[in-house]
Amino acid sequence: EVQLVESGGGLVQPGGSLRLSCAASGFTFNNYWMSWVRQAPGKGLEWVANIKPDGSDTYYADSVKGRFSISRDKAKNSLFLQMNSLRAEDTAVYYCTRGKTPDYWGQGTLVTVSS
Amino acid sequence: DVVMTQSPLSLPVTLGQPASISCRSSQSLVHSDGNTYLSWFLQRPGQSPRRLIYRVSNRDSGVPDRFSGSGSGTDFTLKISRVEAEDVGVYFCMQTTHWPPCTFGPGTKVDFK
Repeated sequence: EVQLVESGGGLVQPGGSLRLSCAASGFTFNNYWMSWVRQAPGKGLEWVANIKPDGSDTYYADSVKGRFSISRDKAKNSLFLQMNSLRAEDTAVYYCTRGKTPDYWGQGTLVTVSS
Repeated sequence: DVVMTQSPLSLPVTLGQPASISCRSSQSLVHSDGNTYLSWFLQRPGQSPRRLIYRVSNRDSGVPDRFSGSGSGTDFTLKISRVEAEDVGVYFCMQTTHWPPCTFGPGTKVDFK
């Protein structure tokens, strides 16, 4: 069974940093693109970033480019999102997803940016 | 960036009756490889989204056959042949033809009348 379990969310002040993690299981992690998608409270879905299976290429939404960094650890079957210079508008539930067109989603982790 | 629009944004439905949601893109979603990367997702209240349909008309494993997707180019439709209680939630379309960025529609909220 495919499972994606996010962790690392929480309350952070504007300008602060946070690192999200996603533990993947039930599939061959190294064979798949992986993505982060976020959803602000009461709002729609926004694609944030994705990463190639071998980690050689990464892509970002303009809204996070230069501030966020997606990475993966093939030995630990894990996906990460390093978020720096956080802003209030980054407040959202962050979902770890499998594939460029997400076929599996985690339960999400809430990031709240507020003073 | 490709802009995705959906209509209606709110859809009151009746149990057992059909329902239909439209999704339009600001440019053709036909990829140079010949495929059209348009997907549909359902987010039930309090849950993560779930993919229902990929590449316009392909149902994901476990998705009931009352759900069907159709369309081409810039116009796409998700149809529910007979709405059931578990179908309430927000439906999103998403394109992954022209990326980055991948883009979602604003969502259509389906609820009972």
